[in-house]
Amino acid sequence: GAVVSQHPSRVICKSGTSVKIECRSLDFQATTMFWYRQFPKQSLMLMATSNEGSKATYEQGVEKDKFLINHASLTLSTLTVTSAHPEDSSFYICSACDSQYSNQPQHFGDGTRLSIL
Amino acid sequence: AQSVAQPEDQVNVAEGNPLTVKCTYSVSGNPYLFWYVQYPNRGLQFLLKYITGDNLVKGSYGFEAEFNKSQTSFHLKKPSALVSDSALYFCAVRDRRNTDKLIFGTGTRLQVFP
Repeated sequence: GAVVSQHPSRVICKSGTSVKIECRSLDFQATTMFWYRQFPKQSLMLMATSNEGSKATYEQGVEKDKFLINHASLTLSTLTVTSAHPEDSSFYICSACDSQYSNQPQHFGDGTRLSIL
Repeated sequence: AQSVAQPEDQVNVAEGNPLTVKCTYSVSGNPYLFWYVQYPNRGLQFLLKYITGDNLVKGSYGFEAEFNKSQTSFHLKKPSALVSDSALYFCAVRDRRNTDKLIFGTGTRLQVFP
């Protein structure tokens, strides 16, 4: 089945550091990738939709300059949390789908646990 | 507005007993519905989907779900629960205005006791 790899799985860093998270589709081309944030015991909150070769579409309330998204190829999207602060600590999850097939499920990475000290 | 509701925060069931995790939806037009499972510190794993056709959908790990249009429900079921089924379950509907975007329910934690 379709596999999405997300790296790193866990990051611990100091306040003010920028952190990059990678999301790769390993065996299919993902024209669209999604970035979610999940707080403890809560559902997934969609942050942005990443489209290959174009600017990401951010959900209301998500700071574009804070969460930079780049989707440079059909298999890779990156999320950079710039100048991270403790309130940015969370579980970040990416997903990808092959937009050729609109009724196919999204495939999720295993998430990145970000802890800002 | 399109939405998904999971009315139960937690469902407890004894191993070997049948389980049901409830989901209701509100969409315009015909829905694309999905169930995902999340284990601790992991991403979501796809279980099953309803697009069209038979109302009873069979998925991974022995799970199935029944699409009920009149009740706008898509409950997840399994005839005999396993302790290893204990996890967080999410129902989701695809936003037909944006064919790729998913709208998730709040999740239901399933606890299966030995």
